[in-house]
Amino acid sequence: GENVEQHPSTLSVQEGDSAVIKCTYSDSASNYFPWYKQELGKGPQLIIDIRSNVGEKKDQRIAVTLNKTAKHFSLHITETQPEDSAVYFCAATFGRAGSYQLTFGKGTKLSVIP
Amino acid sequence: NAGVTQTPKFQVLKTGQSMTLQCAQDMNHNSMYWYRQDPGMGLRLIYYSASEGTTDKGEVPNGYNVSRLNKREFSLRLESAAPSQTSVYFCASCEIRDRKAFFGQGTRLTVV
Repeated sequence: GENVEQHPSTLSVQEGDSAVIKCTYSDSASNYFPWYKQELGKGPQLIIDIRSNVGEKKDQRIAVTLNKTAKHFSLHITETQPEDSAVYFCAATFGRAGSYQLTFGKGTKLSVIP
Repeated sequence: NAGVTQTPKFQVLKTGQSMTLQCAQDMNHNSMYWYRQDPGMGLRLIYYSASEGTTDKGEVPNGYNVSRLNKREFSLRLESAAPSQTSVYFCASCEIRDRKAFFGQGTRLTVV
């Protein structure tokens, strides 16, 4: 199966600074990499994703980069705001067509200090 | 649209009791998943159903059973609850084509 490592486990930044969270995966056949944000007491919410045929994707203040050769991908949040404080999870999809599994990293607790 | 709905939201069980966690989605997704979330462990896959009529074990299936009742509903059953099953349980669904998974709000289960 797939193994996803995520770093750091906690991250504190000043409001307005950038935050970067990094993940590595083990299965070279994985080809879909979503990122989820989880607020306290809620379920994870998809915020951005990237497929293996793309190296970078942006959505306003959020961007994700993928290095297939090194098997790592990263989440970048610019101009952080207090409402960005949450736990962020990376994930990788593996499996045969029509029967995919999502394997998650252990999460990063991001705190944005006003 | 409600998305993914889980019931109940909270439950306390005594060791040895049984219960079923319910999950329903209204997005016409083919695939559904059950995860458990424990502090510092991330989300671990218990069982999944790639399509109606099929179920497969995930990373941590011991002590659980599942039923894909129809395309909308996927239930998780604990036959004899143990304190080690104290956790927050999440159901998710996704469309095979784009693989974007959507999660429910979770069920917080405590086994005493």
